[in-house]
Amino acid sequence: EVQLVESGGGLVQPGRSLRLSCTASGFTFGDYAMSWVRQAPGKGLEWVGFIRSKAYGETTEYAASVKGRFTTSRDDSKTIAYLQMNSLKTEDTAVYYCTRVLAAAGTFAFDIWGQGTMVTVSS
Amino acid sequence: DIQMTQSPSSVSASVGDRVTITCRTSQGISSWLAWYQQKPGKAPKLLIYAASSLQSGVPSRFSGSGSGTDFTLTISSLQPEDFATYYCQQANSFPFTFGQGTRLEIK
Repeated sequence: EVQLVESGGGLVQPGRSLRLSCTASGFTFGDYAMSWVRQAPGKGLEWVGFIRSKAYGETTEYAASVKGRFTTSRDDSKTIAYLQMNSLKTEDTAVYYCTRVLAAAGTFAFDIWGQGTMVTVSS
Repeated sequence: DIQMTQSPSSVSASVGDRVTITCRTSQGISSWLAWYQQKPGKAPKLLIYAASSLQSGVPSRFSGSGSGTDFTLTISSLQPEDFATYYCQQANSFPFTFGQGTRLEIK
């Protein structure tokens, strides 16, 4: 079964750091780009970050709201993607989803989603 | 950044109805658009990619169309399990952006 499982969420004070993990199974992890999407309580979806596969240099892209504070990385040997979140703000409070990126028909889409992990930034 | 505008924000419909949701982008994105369904407390689910390609396992009552700046998601005959929130998302350029969502409710 193709699956993504996030972990690492929790309650953290403003200004502190947190690292989320996304463990993949059921597919060849190294062949896919991965992405992170978040959803604040009662709000819509917000794209956060993207990491290409090793074949494309593992290069990354970020939303302006997190650029310089968040970093995504991957360990293909462990089939894990990470989201390192530094200098957290209260507005980063959200459910964070890890997604697999489908590259087909010349476009990208998020075809597999994890169950999400809640991050609460509060003093 | 490419702005996404979905309409309507919410819609009430009955089982068996045909429903259309519209997504408009602030600049042309060719066919680089996806649609997702989200139910309360659950992760989103990919329905349509590349504007009109049906994701594997998604019922054929879902269809997508459009190119450029105007796109539609159509559900041909609503089923009870279709009541959810729907989002469009552009993948033409970074930063990827989502529409604000359309809540489909039971009439």
